[in-house]
Amino acid sequence: QQQVRQSPQSLTVWEGETAILNCSYEDSTFNYFPWYQQFPGEGPALLISISSVSDKKEDGRFTIFFNKREKKLSLHITDSQPGDSATYFCAASASSGSWQLIFGSGTQLTVMP
Amino acid sequence: AQTIHQWPVAEIKAVGSPLSLGCTIKGKSSPNLYWYWQATGGTLQQLFYSITVGQVESVVQLNLSASRPKDDQFILSTEKLLLSHSGFYLCAWTQAANTEVFFGKGTRLTVV
Repeated sequence: QQQVRQSPQSLTVWEGETAILNCSYEDSTFNYFPWYQQFPGEGPALLISISSVSDKKEDGRFTIFFNKREKKLSLHITDSQPGDSATYFCAASASSGSWQLIFGSGTQLTVMP
Repeated sequence: AQTIHQWPVAEIKAVGSPLSLGCTIKGKSSPNLYWYWQATGGTLQQLFYSITVGQVESVVQLNLSASRPKDDQFILSTEKLLLSHSGFYLCAWTQAANTEVFFGKGTRLTVV
């Protein structure tokens, strides 16, 4: 059962454009949604996260938009740079007593110079 | 500063052979520890987590086992490797649930 879905599978944008990565989930108990960035051959690193009490979280060029009713969120990367080229994973977890972090299938982003 | 060290960096092993992967966390007492598996080009699947020494919980059954012999050490092992065990194994730690997960650099395992 795929509890966290991501789209598109791959995305190519030009330098300076805004990249939009989508994520949806099924479990209504999920209330913590981190996004991880992974470069080839490396472990993922936390990029930005949001809790279900917020509908927007901004950190520099990275913004998460969250729609609890529709169980959807998106990551917007403004002024995309070639160094942003990586795979981005949306993840989700529930707070009460759960130590599981469910990852989506990832979006491979390529930023063309 | 906390550091996470995984060993080995890469392994090529034969089907049916045993395996032991290790992970050490320095600079953090009583961390919550995790093992993740990632197929090439795939998502991250949580395999095990441990809240305290000697206690390990399994998340998925993949013919693997894990142990936490020390507060700062997490071991992943199996007695018989399968082709399907190939992939990227990542050790990780957190301070608590729903906080940032810090990943190691991973071990690339190829089973032939």
